Amino acid sequence: QKEVEQNSGPLSVPEGAIASLNCTYSDRGSQSFFWYRQYSGKSPELIMFIYSNGDKEDGRFTAQLNKASQYVSLLIRDSQPSDSATYLCAVIVSGSARQLTFGSGTQLTVLP
Amino acid sequence: GAGVSQSPRYKVAKRGQDVALRCDPISGHVSLFWYQQALGQGPEFLTYFQNEAQLDKSGLPSDRFFAERPEGSVSTLKIQRTQQEDSAVYLCASSLGGGKGEKLFFGSGTQLSVL
Repeated sequence: QKEVEQNSGPLSVPEGAIASLNCTYSDRGSQSFFWYRQYSGKSPELIMFIYSNGDKEDGRFTAQLNKASQYVSLLIRDSQPSDSATYLCAVIVSGSARQLTFGSGTQLTVLP
Repeated sequence: GAGVSQSPRYKVAKRGQDVALRCDPISGHVSLFWYQQALGQGPEFLTYFQNEAQLDKSGLPSDRFFAERPEGSVSTLKIQRTQQEDSAVYLCASSLGGGKGEKLFFGSGTQLSVL
């Protein structure tokens, strides 16, 4: 079992819709969770981080964390074509020296 | 500099050649990470420096991989006797260091192709 699992997609949503991206992790001791966006041929860019159970909102983005179920999700409201990218879920695994463990990413396409 | 700088942007090597990849982090950033990203996959951790100290090298896939950061700023990832399976994008990231929410800034990466 991979430490961080994501549905690879591709996920397609129409412009203006809500895109929902999901991620599960295997290490119950993980405390820090991150969502990165990666455009094709570009480097990852941090868009959200979350530590506590519940929701964290930042503009059109909402991160949700449920430690009991070991999942973290990212909602993108009012999706725009410019949101089309691969979204990477990342976790700092307990006992590690602060490095991020990434999932394989979910490819999102927002259709105009 | 304004961001993390990596060079070269592209590198083509013949199998068996040695390569050196350079990372120039954001000035003042204590932490520096190297990741390897295969096509269609997420980045895989290779090694981590705090200043000049290499605190974790557990992700280096073999003893052909070596990284250094002698003065706590610029870092070099060296791959000896390159193999085809080494073909990937090598990403460098830096952060201020400390705290759970530290933001990692990634460079544009070096795309290595081993023929």
